[in-house]
Amino acid sequence: QSALTQPASVSGSPGQSITISCTGSSSDVGAYNYVSWYQQYPGKAPELMIYDVTNRPSGISSRFSGSKSGNTASLTISGLQAEDEADYYCSSYTYNSILVFGGGTKLTVL
Amino acid sequence: QVQLQQWGAGLLKPSETLSLTCGVYGGSFSDHFWSWFRQPPGKGLEWIGEINHGGITNYNPSLKGRVTISVDTSKNQFSLRLSSVTAADTAIYYCARQGIAVTGTGFDYWGQGTLVTVSS
Repeated sequence: QSALTQPASVSGSPGQSITISCTGSSSDVGAYNYVSWYQQYPGKAPELMIYDVTNRPSGISSRFSGSKSGNTASLTISGLQAEDEADYYCSSYTYNSILVFGGGTKLTVL
Repeated sequence: QVQLQQWGAGLLKPSETLSLTCGVYGGSFSDHFWSWFRQPPGKGLEWIGEINHGGITNYNPSLKGRVTISVDTSKNQFSLRLSSVTAADTAIYYCARQGIAVTGTGFDYWGQGTLVTVSS
């Protein structure tokens, strides 16, 4: 059982927006602005999409955005494209400097 | 251009010690933290632990003292050892760089992954 809770799957049509939630506690997600999001294609290493809740690394499309409210962080993908179909994982540091992950969300582009 | 290249044994027997090394090519080795992760086939990611260039480590307590991460700054490499492996340790193991000044607490560069299978 993962420390952070994500929906197992989400889906959307091309052009639509989707949001993936990541729910933790006041000891991790709610405690610090240290939430990151990763995209992973089958057989590939994860790729950083959002770091420290809202920041996009260089080269990541502005269609990806992050936010947080209380103990829940969210990743929003706007203008959904076929290439966005992948697994997405959130992570957060805990109060005792341990990095924990969500169980992952499979995004299907219909 | 930063590249992380990892290597090590891919097939182990129960009770043996897993050993992997990650070489860092390009970028600054001293300005970042370096971590190991693993992902059982078809499952999610798990953080194993981290080290900095000074050898300061931090481990996931779930691994109950079986893990050791070390660094060789002369070669820009860091290594993972996991003792007393069981079938539950079968996973793809990844090394990664924590961006710090570049990407805060996010991991911006990853190794290619190594499938480690534990089987008698």
